Amino acid sequence: GAGVSQSPSNKVTEKGKDVELRCDPISGHTALYWYRQSLGQGLEFLIYFQGNSAPDKSGLPSDRFSAERTGGSVSTLTIQRTQQEDSAVYLCASSLNGGSSYEQYFGPGTRLTVT
Amino acid sequence: QKEVEQNSGPLSVPEGAIASLNCTYSDRGSQSFFWYRQYSGKSPELIMSIYSNGDKEDGRFTAQLNKASQYVSLLIRDSQPSDSATYLCAARGSSASKIIFGSGTRLSIRP
Repeated sequence: GAGVSQSPSNKVTEKGKDVELRCDPISGHTALYWYRQSLGQGLEFLIYFQGNSAPDKSGLPSDRFSAERTGGSVSTLTIQRTQQEDSAVYLCASSLNGGSSYEQYFGPGTRLTVT
Repeated sequence: QKEVEQNSGPLSVPEGAIASLNCTYSDRGSQSFFWYRQYSGKSPELIMSIYSNGDKEDGRFTAQLNKASQYVSLLIRDSQPSDSATYLCAARGSSASKIIFGSGTRLSIRP
């Protein structure tokens, strides 16, 4: 079946502009995660949605970052007033989070470059 | 102390040998553990999950879990150059479903 999809695959933006990154999780997956990965670095957790529960926003680096998940499916990560240090690959993952299955499946990522 | 710790490597292993990747975690209540492979420029790909103490085998891969020692490992038998990648260890903590990732071990298989 279809995996996690993300758009756009690449985004170049000027410093100070706002950007929106989109994630379509695997159908039926109740949990959705956003991560950020800078070049040569590990995964940095940003935010986690589980069903209708309040999201875990503990990883968002500043109030310029926000995310929403509409209808328990598609999610949008918004970065306002982008800065050069926001340049990274933004990865979305989804999981079933039921029974013993918490395995996450990742999308291809969005490479964000802030000039 | 990081919640999930891995040696950053690089770990260099000759082709055909066994590659052993290790990971420790700090949350004693962690229940689920995962190994991901990430090729350069690609997103992480799930290799194996393990939930119970002991070994779990899948093809050339064996995951080992020791909850008493808070230790997870991944063995890759008959290593191939295509196994050269960064391997990420992850654990689901006891308090929530959030998955914590280690920073990864870079593995290089030399022909």
